[in-house]
Amino acid sequence: GAVVSQHPSRVICKSGTSVKIECRSLDFQATTMFWYRQFPKQSLMLMATSNEGSKATYEQGVEKDKFLINHASLTLSTLTVTSAHPEDSSFYICSASPLGGQGGGTDTQYFGPGTRLTVL
Amino acid sequence: QQQVKQSPQSLIVQKGGISIINCAYENTAFDYFPWYQQFPGKGPALLIAIRPDVSEKKEGRFTISFNKSAKQFSLHIMDSQPGDSATYFCAASPNDYKLSFGAGTTVTVRA
Repeated sequence: GAVVSQHPSRVICKSGTSVKIECRSLDFQATTMFWYRQFPKQSLMLMATSNEGSKATYEQGVEKDKFLINHASLTLSTLTVTSAHPEDSSFYICSASPLGGQGGGTDTQYFGPGTRLTVL
Repeated sequence: QQQVKQSPQSLIVQKGGISIINCAYENTAFDYFPWYQQFPGKGPALLIAIRPDVSEKKEGRFTISFNKSAKQFSLHIMDSQPGDSATYFCAASPNDYKLSFGAGTTVTVRA
């Protein structure tokens, strides 16, 4: 149980284009999803917290107009990198926290497999 | 500023040995302390987690030791196996569920 998927797993795009990454909780409902980015051999950096039906909360220094987050349902959140540039190349990982009573605790985060974005 | 300090950065252990990773924190509002295992190119996987009301939690070969007064917690991997070779992250969160991660420890288990 507690499986989170991401699509695509890998994407290469040209500079200036937009890329959408999907994050789905497959066997549980999640009111809260999180988006992280990770550079090689570094830790995870939280970008934003996404709550179903409301606007995402972005961490300091993260451009909300560049990284658009939509959390339209209890099982799906999307991250759109707009006008991507080479410096946006990174490993993007989402996580989801189950609603209370669905296993773990409401603060347990289950991570997706990640999406490798390369901007040429 | 990293809210959770993790050490060592890397370690090498022989098969069958014990791997020990330490983490320290300052924020007394933290009340949930998970450990994640990450293989290259993959997302982190929850390994084991502890809350401050217990001092130790064991799941199979993995044990968390927690010292609330010292604000430290550690992961022990007993009988380390080559398949345990991965990067391990400690983390902590207060009641708003946002995780603060340590810098990570790369564990290499030599056969």
